[in-house]
Amino acid sequence: QQQVKQSPQSLIVQKGGISIINCAYENTAFDYFPWYQQFPGKGPALLIAIRPDVSEKKEGRFTISFNKSAKQFSLHIMDSQPGDSATYFCAASIETSGSRLTFGEGTQLTVNP
Amino acid sequence: NAGVTQTPKFRVLKTGQSMTLLCAQDMNHEYMYWYRQDPGMGLRLIHYSVGEGTTAKGEVPDGYNVSRLKKQNFLLGLESAAPSQTSVYFCASRRTGLDEKLFFGSGTQLSVL
Repeated sequence: QQQVKQSPQSLIVQKGGISIINCAYENTAFDYFPWYQQFPGKGPALLIAIRPDVSEKKEGRFTISFNKSAKQFSLHIMDSQPGDSATYFCAASIETSGSRLTFGEGTQLTVNP
Repeated sequence: NAGVTQTPKFRVLKTGQSMTLLCAQDMNHEYMYWYRQDPGMGLRLIHYSVGEGTTAKGEVPDGYNVSRLKKQNFLLGLESAAPSQTSVYFCASRRTGLDEKLFFGSGTQLSVL
């Protein structure tokens, strides 16, 4: 049972464009929603995270939008750069349960020069 | 500052062989996790630990065992490897609090023939 569904599987964007990756979750008890970035041959690394008390969080070119009623959250990458080419994973957890992250399936982003 | 170190980086096993993957962290984190990563399936939690001497099952625990004898080490064992266990394995430790973050190792690529 996949509790966090991520789309699209792959995404190709031109340099300077906006990359948008979406995630939907089922468990309303989730209260922590991070995004992880993974480069080939490396482990995932935290990019940005949000908790459900806010609807948006921005860090540089990266923004998370969160819609609690729709049980959806998304990652927006503004002014996408070739260096952003990586696999992105959304995730969700319940912080009082040992914070076991449930990951989405991943999105392979390619930013063309 | 090494962070999270996994050994070995690559391993090829024959069906039925056993092996142990070692994870070491130098950040004094209580929580540690073992994930497996398969194409199109994201990262799935195998086992986790909330402190020295404790372990718990994750989403896909069958065929694996773990031990946390020392706070800095988390071992993942395969007693009788199967081809279905061919995967990339990631260990992570967790920094708790408002600035919560998982720190991942660089992964172990395991092939079971």
